[in-house]
Amino acid sequence: EDKVVQSPLSLVVHEGDTVTLNCSYEVTNFRSLLWYKQEKKAPTFLFMLTSSGIEKKSGRLSSILDKKELFSILNITATQTGDSAVYLCAGLETAYGKLTFGQGTILTVHP
Amino acid sequence: KAGVTQTPRYLIKTRGQQVTLSCSPISGHRSVSWYQQTPGQGLQFLFEYFSETQRNKGNFPGRFSGRQFSNSRSEMNVSTLELGDSALYLCASSLTGTGGSQNIQYFGAGTRLSVL
Repeated sequence: EDKVVQSPLSLVVHEGDTVTLNCSYEVTNFRSLLWYKQEKKAPTFLFMLTSSGIEKKSGRLSSILDKKELFSILNITATQTGDSAVYLCAGLETAYGKLTFGQGTILTVHP
Repeated sequence: KAGVTQTPRYLIKTRGQQVTLSCSPISGHRSVSWYQQTPGQGLQFLFEYFSETQRNKGNFPGRFSGRQFSNSRSEMNVSTLELGDSALYLCASSLTGTGGSQNIQYFGAGTRLSVL
């Protein structure tokens, strides 16, 4: 059975801190690893990682995939209160449309 | 470009009833996937549709079904509701559901279903 595990499950930091969120996966016929941010309702897309070792960046956020170790990390530098959310990672298999999600990391950023 | 639209946003039903949820994908997207989100189980895949055909299905009982119309809009139906069906139901659309950036799934705001 496909499995995605995220750590830590929750994290409390202060504005300006740097955080690293972890995601390990065991997904049959793995194709890509996706990161989402969920605040109120709809998860919003952050990154899709398909190739190992290539860092993707968007502003203060960056992510990288290690396909040998079946692992991905999401880094957020200079955190802001607006970064407070649940961060979800998900493995996409080659079969159609199925994302297997981790439990999520609840990030709380205090002023 | 409008995002993924789900209706209704909230539903309250009683055990034994059935419910239909609707999802309109982003214009041009032809793949629609459905997920159930609960505090205990997280986000779990229900099924995926493309060109009116179900291509993939998760491990949910037959009470959960869906369909897709020629305009790519999709509906999900749950029959004989149980208390455990209370959840946030999310739908996501992508261009084709296959290959590279066309696989990015964009989510709607969800339908919150409460079963009493």
